[in-house]
Amino acid sequence: DTGVSQNPRHKITKRGQNVTFRCDPISEHNRLYWYRQTLGQGPEFLTYFQNEAQLEKSRLLSDRFSAERPKGSFSTLEIQRTEQGDSAMYLCASSLGQDQETQYFGPGTRLLVL
Amino acid sequence: AQKITQTQPGMFVQEKEAVTLDCTYDTSDPSYGLFWYKQPSSGEMIFLIYQGSYDQQNATEGRYSLNFQKARKSANLVISASQLGDSAMYFCATSKAAGNKLTFGGGTRVLVKP
Repeated sequence: DTGVSQNPRHKITKRGQNVTFRCDPISEHNRLYWYRQTLGQGPEFLTYFQNEAQLEKSRLLSDRFSAERPKGSFSTLEIQRTEQGDSAMYLCASSLGQDQETQYFGPGTRLLVL
Repeated sequence: AQKITQTQPGMFVQEKEAVTLDCTYDTSDPSYGLFWYKQPSSGEMIFLIYQGSYDQQNATEGRYSLNFQKARKSANLVISASQLGDSAMYFCATSKAAGNKLTFGGGTRVLVKP
């Protein structure tokens, strides 16, 4: 399968714990995006990378959130000191790297904070 | 800032009939892209169709067509010959000229009846 992959697919954690999600984009794609989707809503942009550079962060991305893409390939999204309001689907997408190009999404990681 | 409005929270459609999903957008960018994605219950966002703001012709992809009316700032999706597998959430999204981050609408749930 050469699509975008995300791990884990599901994560249940207790409030206050740290969690880390991984995204592997389509191999030749330079841009990688993270979105968050809460129940009944459309996805909301969190951040994106062009190769290893993080070029934009949404104000939704509080100090407890950090994202990396160290070698310009896979990316990780870490949430520290999780809160119940962090419960959501976290979606990763990738694109070749030109404006207005199609983004292809992974299956998402569904986070539940108890 | 960009904004997408999908006014139909849910729709029923009879199998083999066509259905139109409404999408209006608000953007100050002179150049932008418009996208439609399908999200089945599994959660993955599946790309359906793309329309560039300067494209003269409406985009078509198999059973999907996009009715683009630039002056009205609308980009409605038409699904012809509905199938049971079309039952899903459908999201309209727009991208800025730079950065390519997507802004999504609230979605429309489609249920195809046999």
